[in-house]
Amino acid sequence: AQTVTQSQPEMSVQEAETVTLSCTYDTSENNYYLFWYKQPPSRQMILVIRQEAYKQQNATENRFSVNFQKAAKSFSLKISDSQLGDTAMYFCAFMRISRTGNQFYFGTGTSLTVIP
Amino acid sequence: EAQVTQNPRYLITVTGKKLTVTCSQNMNHEYMSWYRQDPGLGLRQIYYSMNVEVTDKGDVPEGYKVSRKEKRNFPLILESPSPNQTSLYFCASSTLGTGNYGYTFGSGTRLTVV
Repeated sequence: AQTVTQSQPEMSVQEAETVTLSCTYDTSENNYYLFWYKQPPSRQMILVIRQEAYKQQNATENRFSVNFQKAAKSFSLKISDSQLGDTAMYFCAFMRISRTGNQFYFGTGTSLTVIP
Repeated sequence: EAQVTQNPRYLITVTGKKLTVTCSQNMNHEYMSWYRQDPGLGLRQIYYSMNVEVTDKGDVPEGYKVSRKEKRNFPLILESPSPNQTSLYFCASSTLGTGNYGYTFGSGTRLTVV
């Protein structure tokens, strides 16, 4: 069975600083996708970044980047130059693809607070 | 605009009174799913559907029903709601297979059962 673990329930960071959110997962699959979703107080779930497991290069989206370590099954999110609007719950997600369809697995989330 | 439309955003109901939460997507996605979000538990899948007339149970299906009569719509039905179904619910859709960009989520429904 696939599991996704986010070991940091809460984190805080000073505005303009850098913070890293950790995520580990357990799978025997070789082809899968990893995602980070952001959920601000508005509760909308917003895709932050996506990584394809067969790509060794780490994904980046502006101030957001990942450190994808496939052998270690680790997928951390780095937020650079943190902004007040980054305050949100962040969910790590794993998706496997099979003939029977997509299967998503979510971590329990990390609540990030950006301090002015 | 590509989106998943979920209604209502807030709902307060009484125990045992049947309710339906609607979900509609305009992206021609094959895959649709319902989740509930509870503090400390993350998102747990209730039901999912890979295409019209194809539905299957997720991790927490008890007390819920779904239907997929049209590709765009995937309503969640609570025949006899109970207080333990008080939660934040999300509908989500995606394509199937490789080249996947993950879920597009609805804006959520905050359900309170008293």
